[in-house]
Amino acid sequence: AQKVTQAQTEISVVEKEDVTLDCVYETRDTTYYLFWYKQPPSGELVFLIRRNSFDEQNEISGRYSWNFQKSTSSFNFTITASQVVDSAVYFCALSELWSNFGNEKLTFGTGTRLTIIP
Amino acid sequence: EAGVVQSPRYKIIEKKQPVAFWCNPISGHNTLYWYLQNLGQGPELLIRYENEEAVDDSQLPKDRFSAERLKGVDSTLKIQPAELGDSAVYLCASSQGLAGAVKQFFGPGTRLTVL
Repeated sequence: AQKVTQAQTEISVVEKEDVTLDCVYETRDTTYYLFWYKQPPSGELVFLIRRNSFDEQNEISGRYSWNFQKSTSSFNFTITASQVVDSAVYFCALSELWSNFGNEKLTFGTGTRLTIIP
Repeated sequence: EAGVVQSPRYKIIEKKQPVAFWCNPISGHNTLYWYLQNLGQGPELLIRYENEEAVDDSQLPKDRFSAERLKGVDSTLKIQPAELGDSAVYLCASSQGLAGAVKQFFGPGTRLTVL
């Protein structure tokens, strides 16, 4: 069964500091997708990134970067030079495509609440 | 482009009362999802529709929960009767393409409080 663990429940950092959010996943599939979503106080989850299991290349998008390591089953998210607007709950999610083909669904972690202190 | 619309945003009811939530997905999105999000937890899938067909309702408590998407566009999720443990946020999402491989667009959710 697929499982996502976000061990950091809450993190607080001072504005402009860098912060890394950890995500560890479990799956028996070789074909899967990993996602990160942001949930601001308004409530709706906002898509940040999708990564498939065959692409281990790290990605950078502005102040955001993602480190995907299959060897440790991790997909960590780093925010560089954090800003107050980054304050939100961040969710990592996993979708197995082979064992659940035709019935794919996202399994979310419990989320990490990030607070950026001005 | 309009996002996923949900109503109401908040609902407070007494236990044993019925309640219904409405969702209008992004135009053209064939897949619609209903999620349950308990406090401090990630969303959990209740039901997924491909057009008007419910293709995954394994997590939907069918004794009290029901859902419909009659014309393959908007959808309604109903609870009857509501219990105290149903207090949570109910999220609707939509997408286009293979469900497990594409990004989903979420609505703001309906926060249900059962007294």
